Amino acid sequence: AQSVTQPDIHITVSEGASLELRCNYSYGATPYLFWYVQSPGQGLQLLLKYFSGDTLVQGIKGFEAEFKRSQSSFNLRKPSVHWSDAAEYFCAVGDPNAGNNRKLIWGLGTSLAVNP
Amino acid sequence: DAGITQSPRYKITETGRQVTLMCHQTWSHSYMFWYRQDLGHGLRLIYYSAAADITDKGEVPDGYVVSRSKTENFPLTLESATRSQTSVYFCASSERGGYGYTFGSGTRLTVV
Repeated sequence: AQSVTQPDIHITVSEGASLELRCNYSYGATPYLFWYVQSPGQGLQLLLKYFSGDTLVQGIKGFEAEFKRSQSSFNLRKPSVHWSDAAEYFCAVGDPNAGNNRKLIWGLGTSLAVNP
Repeated sequence: DAGITQSPRYKITETGRQVTLMCHQTWSHSYMFWYRQDLGHGLRLIYYSAAADITDKGEVPDGYVVSRSKTENFPLTLESATRSQTSVYFCASSERGGYGYTFGSGTRLTVV
């Protein structure tokens, strides 16, 4: 069965420090991969997505993610974190062969705190 | 305004009452989804719809009913609310050719 694991429930970084949030998936082939961010009291916003091609994907707000097939990972990175990046981050996978079934499989999220 | 809107933002209801959460999107996206978000469980799919008049169950559909008579609306009804349905509910939509979801701001439902 497809699954998504975000090993870190909570991460704290200092403002200006680099960030890497981990995401591992279990899937028979290469899935579609997504990172979403949820600010407190808000809905989720798409940061970036990977369908195929270049394994380094650029997203909004200065985020990037790298797909590593050999590790079944899609880790999210940012070189310098800002206090406004404090939020919950969700990794999700989709099935490219799903047809009309566009359901995503979600990780449980990583809560990011940023120290001033 | 273009976007996806959920109403109400907050709702308190009593056990056993019927309550409907509304979701409206202005993009004519084909796909719409209802999720609930609970601590420790992440996002769980309740129901989804691939188009008007086409709906299907997600992983936690019991106690919920949906309809989609128009592309832009996807209401979620709790037929007889229970305390276990206290949660934050998110609606999302996605265009036919895409996979990225756009989420509403959520409805925080408390069942007392």
